[in-house]
Amino acid sequence: KAGVTQTPRYLIKTRGQQVTLSCSPISGHRSVSWYQQTPGQGLQFLFEYFSETQRNKGNFPGRFSGRQFSNSRSEMNVSTLELGDSALYLCASSTGDRGFHEKLFFGSGTQLSVL
Amino acid sequence: AQSVTQLDSQVPVFEEAPVELRCNYSSSVSVYLFWYVQYPNQGLQLLLKYLSGSTLVKGINGFEAEFNKSQTSFHLRKPSVHISDTAEYFCAVSDRGGGSNYKLTFGKGTLLTVNP
Repeated sequence: KAGVTQTPRYLIKTRGQQVTLSCSPISGHRSVSWYQQTPGQGLQFLFEYFSETQRNKGNFPGRFSGRQFSNSRSEMNVSTLELGDSALYLCASSTGDRGFHEKLFFGSGTQLSVL
Repeated sequence: AQSVTQLDSQVPVFEEAPVELRCNYSSSVSVYLFWYVQYPNQGLQLLLKYLSGSTLVKGINGFEAEFNKSQTSFHLRKPSVHISDTAEYFCAVSDRGGGSNYKLTFGKGTLLTVNP
C-alpha cells in the first residue's frame, strides 16, 4: 500500500508570492491534516479535511487555506508569502472515522523556503 | 486549551545505555497520549499511544511509556538504545472530547542522539 505522498519535496519562493502544496493520502483514507513544522515553534496544526469539508482549524491567518477533492487528495495554499512561512509542511492521513485516538500516517513533507 | 512540554530539547546518550525522554501535558479534559518519532528527512511515525487501561504502554522498536495521571506525565523509555534510534521524538495529546477534533497538539520535540 502506497504511503502518504507530498509534492513537491522542496520549494523556493519570494516574499509576496503564493504557493500550493499537494498531498495524496493513503488509499481509503478520507481525513487529511496539515501541520507546519519550524525549529522555533515545533509542529503546529493548520487544518483537517474530511470528505471534502474542513472539519477543524488551527490558529493561522487566513492566508493559509486548503481544500480536499472527491478522491481525498488535498491541497494547501499560502498567499502573500512572508519570510516566517519558511517551514516544513507535513500532511497526515487517517480513515477519519474511528475516533480521536486514531493513528496518523505522515508524509515526508514539503520544505518551503521564502526568500 | 491543551499544551505539551518536553522538558529536554536534546538528549545525548551512548549506545546500549538506557534513556528516558520526558513529557508533561496540561489539559482541562481527558486526553489520549502519543509518542511519534521523526527520522532525518522523513515524516513522523507513531511509536506508541495511550488510550485507556494499563498505564504502561509498549510500542515499536523496544520503546515503552508510562502514563501518570497525578503528575500529568507520559515519559518515554528504552532500556538499551541503538545508533539507529537517533531521531527527534515528539509527544502529543488529543482531546477525548466530543465533536470531530482530529487535532494533535505536539510538544517541541526532543532530539535523541546515540553515540558509539
